[in-house]
Amino acid sequence: GEDVEQSLFLSVREGDSSVINCTYTDSSSTYLYWYKQEPGAGLQLLTYIFSNMDMKQDQRLTVLLNKKDKHLSLRIADTQTGDSAIYFCAELNFNKFYFGSGTKLNVKP
Amino acid sequence: EAQVTQNPRYLITVTGKKLTVTCSQNMNHEYMSWYRQDPGLGLRQIYYSMNVEVTDKGDVPEGYKVSRKEKRNFPLILESPSPNQTSLYFCASSLGVRTEAFFGQGTRLTVV
Repeated sequence: GEDVEQSLFLSVREGDSSVINCTYTDSSSTYLYWYKQEPGAGLQLLTYIFSNMDMKQDQRLTVLLNKKDKHLSLRIADTQTGDSAIYFCAELNFNKFYFGSGTKLNVKP
Repeated sequence: EAQVTQNPRYLITVTGKKLTVTCSQNMNHEYMSWYRQDPGLGLRQIYYSMNVEVTDKGDVPEGYKVSRKEKRNFPLILESPSPNQTSLYFCASSLGVRTEAFFGQGTRLTVV
């Protein structure tokens, strides 16, 4: 399968910005997604970006896509304790989805 | 309320005993998938279905079967479960393949 890689942990202080990074291997990916998983729950879509875009902003969330390096990032501005969760990036390749291993974000008060 | 419902939420079974995990959605979605989540591996897609009677293998289909006889239901079948299928399973549905996926609450399966 495709390789989608993320670092496992990130710790930030409340009010700081968080940046979660993801790399993928297949340049034919059409859409890239960020999902959030809270404890004991399924995943919820945060945002997505089409592969011909460089950036997408949605309130506190900014997604940056570097197609040359196959690098995707999610920036959360003014991180709150309620943002503590696991964040997954995912790529859509034809009709299949490939997820990263998830980054556990810990927000310290 | 729009939702994806999986049953059961928790299941402990023995090696070789056939089981089915059900998944139902009430949103008239066309695309449905099954995933397994394992520590350090993230989610891996097992099978997906583009529509009724149209199913295809995901990244890790071995040991699993699915069917899509009706639009709302997408059961996952383990004909002869083995301990390496112990995992947390999620069903998801979306209107189309690219659109937002709605996930069920998960089924924690233990095979002893």
